[in-house]
Amino acid sequence: NAGVTQTPKFQVLKTGQSMTLQCAQDMNHNSMYWYRQDPGMGLRLIYYSASEGTTDKGEVPNGYNVSRLNKREFSLRLESAAPSQTSVYFCASSPWAQETQYFGPGTRLLVL
Amino acid sequence: AQKVTQAQTEISVVEKEDVTLDCVYETRDTTYYLFWYKQPPSGELVFLIRRNSFDEQNEISGRYSWNFQKSTSSFNFTITASQVVDSAVYFCALSERSYGGSQGNLIFGKGTKLSVKP
Repeated sequence: NAGVTQTPKFQVLKTGQSMTLQCAQDMNHNSMYWYRQDPGMGLRLIYYSASEGTTDKGEVPNGYNVSRLNKREFSLRLESAAPSQTSVYFCASSPWAQETQYFGPGTRLLVL
Repeated sequence: AQKVTQAQTEISVVEKEDVTLDCVYETRDTTYYLFWYKQPPSGELVFLIRRNSFDEQNEISGRYSWNFQKSTSSFNFTITASQVVDSAVYFCALSERSYGGSQGNLIFGKGTKLSVKP
């Protein structure tokens, strides 16, 4: 059991470039989440997917899109990266809502 | 509005000292869950405990213990006889029902950085 995996681990982008962060879980969880972590800010929810086929905005969705590709995979897309999107991105999953969320190792993104 | 406050930004202790990390939360819901996560220097987030709003019993797991008090909206975390390996950032989080649905998004505090010196 790998748990929650994220790729890439680290990425450098130039302003305006696009990229997709990948997340997969092998725990047969229904709910998946994307958070960003900035220094001194804790984690903030970007988007979530309560179950396969549904996605909803979290606290800070602007500049991002998501796709729940299937039950296992939940990707996060930056269409036109901005320096303000420099952050560490965490994907998480839980069996259902309000149950414990398990986190991936994170992706460090630097936008120049 | 839902909110989690961890007033202690950084704490430094010497090994074997006991240390308590404070967490105060705000919610309008009667049904909610509280969590603690650990983020060691390596960066991953490690789940420590989940507690529901109907269970105010204190919990102990080895050197870790948690004190949940609804009357003061607090969910404090104590490490007894701290060790260098306890050095990490610790996050408290709240999960409640969203409006019109049952999605329990996590609302995190800003974290407390604990440094344990040998």
